[in-house]
Amino acid sequence: AQTVTQSQPEMSVQEAETVTLSCTYDTSESDYYLFWYKQPPSRQMILVIRQEAYKQQNATENRFSVNFQKAAKSFSLKISDSQLGDAAMYFCAYRSARGGADGLTFGKGTHLIIQP
Amino acid sequence: EPEVTQTPSHQVTQMGQEVILRCVPISNHLYFYWYRQILGQKVEFLVSFYNNEISEKSEIFDDQFSVERPDGSNFTLKIRSTKLEDSAMYFCASSTSVNSGELFFGEGSRLTVL
Repeated sequence: AQTVTQSQPEMSVQEAETVTLSCTYDTSESDYYLFWYKQPPSRQMILVIRQEAYKQQNATENRFSVNFQKAAKSFSLKISDSQLGDAAMYFCAYRSARGGADGLTFGKGTHLIIQP
Repeated sequence: EPEVTQTPSHQVTQMGQEVILRCVPISNHLYFYWYRQILGQKVEFLVSFYNNEISEKSEIFDDQFSVERPDGSNFTLKIRSTKLEDSAMYFCASSTSVNSGELFFGEGSRLTVL
């Protein structure tokens, strides 16, 4: 079974600074997806960024980028120029690419605090 | 932008009562999911549903739980006889084909069992 580990229960960063959230995972599969989801106080989980395991290039979405290290099974999220609206719980998630019925396996989450 | 909608947003029920949580997935999606998040804990997979039947389910999804898609648009989660430990946020999600990867989540239904 796959597992996802987020070792930082809480992180704090000054507005406009850069922060990196850590995520490691364990799997025996070679093809899979990795995601970072954001859950603001409004509760709905919103996709921040995704990475296909077969792609060597790290995904980027505006101020959000990942450092995907497949051999190390590491998938960290970097948020540049942090904004107050980035404050939320961030969940790292894994999904097998073998079939659509497989759901996501989530980590425990990291609570990100943005200091004004 | 199409979205997954869930009702009710919050339900309070007495232990032993039946609860039905409703979801309207995005219309062209084929795979449907329920997840649970107990307060302060991680989001846990309950069940996935495809082609009008359960595809996968977790150990949490015991005989007290059931899902169905009664009318082609709604996707429901029924808890037959609620227990205190069923208190949680329940999230519905949907996705398109196997190649999309991404799940789209609703805002969740908070269930409080007294």
